[in-house]
Amino acid sequence: KNQVEQSPQSLIILEGKNCTLQCNYTVSPFSNLRWYKQDTGRGPVSLTIMTFSENTKSNGRYTATLDADTKQSSLHITASQLSDSASYICVVSKAAGNKLTFGGGTRVLVKP
Amino acid sequence: GAGVSQSPRYKVAKRGQDVALRCDPISGHVSLFWYQQALGQGPEFLTYFQNEAQLDKSGLPSDRFFAERPEGSVSTLKIQRTQQEDSAVYLCASSPARTTTPLFFGPGTRLTVL
Repeated sequence: KNQVEQSPQSLIILEGKNCTLQCNYTVSPFSNLRWYKQDTGRGPVSLTIMTFSENTKSNGRYTATLDADTKQSSLHITASQLSDSASYICVVSKAAGNKLTFGGGTRVLVKP
Repeated sequence: GAGVSQSPRYKVAKRGQDVALRCDPISGHVSLFWYQQALGQGPEFLTYFQNEAQLDKSGLPSDRFFAERPEGSVSTLKIQRTQQEDSAVYLCASSPARTTTPLFFGPGTRLTVL
C-alpha cells in the first residue's frame, strides 16, 4: 500500500473556479511535505514545502495546508486558469535519509 | 543550460536491447537522483548519488539496471536486456545540497519497450 494517497485521482473544473486536492500519508518519521506540479511531458516543479511546524504555505494562487497530527494535507487552487491543467503530486520526505515518497497525483483539467 | 537536462527525450527499444539514458544536472549540484514514473503514477525512487558516490541503489528493480556518475556531474542510467515492464518515464533530479531540498527535476526520458 502506497504510503501517500491522493484524492481525487482526477477532476475537471471551469476556468475561474476554485478546487481543493487532498493528500493523506502514513510516512513516518516525517520531515517535510511538498506539493509539485507536473505538466504533461515535463518534470515536476515544486510549489510548496512545509515542515512539521508549518500549517499553511502559499505560492501565488496555490495554498497548501498541513495537519501533522492527522497526517493530512491539502492544496487549494484559487481562481483556476487554463495553465493550471496538470498533475499535482504530494510528496513526503522521511526524517532520515534522502527517500521521497510520491503520491499517485491528481490530474486537474481546467476548461474554459 | 540553467536546468537539469536529459537525453534522449524519447527512446523506443526492442525487447532485449540495451539502452543508456543520460542526465546533465545543474552545474555544481552535489546530489543526483533517478526516479521511474509509470504512466499515470507518481515517480518511484531508483538510486541516489552524492558527487560520484552511489549512496543508495535500493530502488533499482533488478540487476539489469545500472547507474553511474563517474566524475560527479553527468550520470547515465543503463538498462540491459530491456523488458516491456521497463516502459516508463525516467526522471533525473539534482540538488545543490546533500539532501532533497531543494530538488530540481529534468524533463524525463520516455522509454517504450516493444
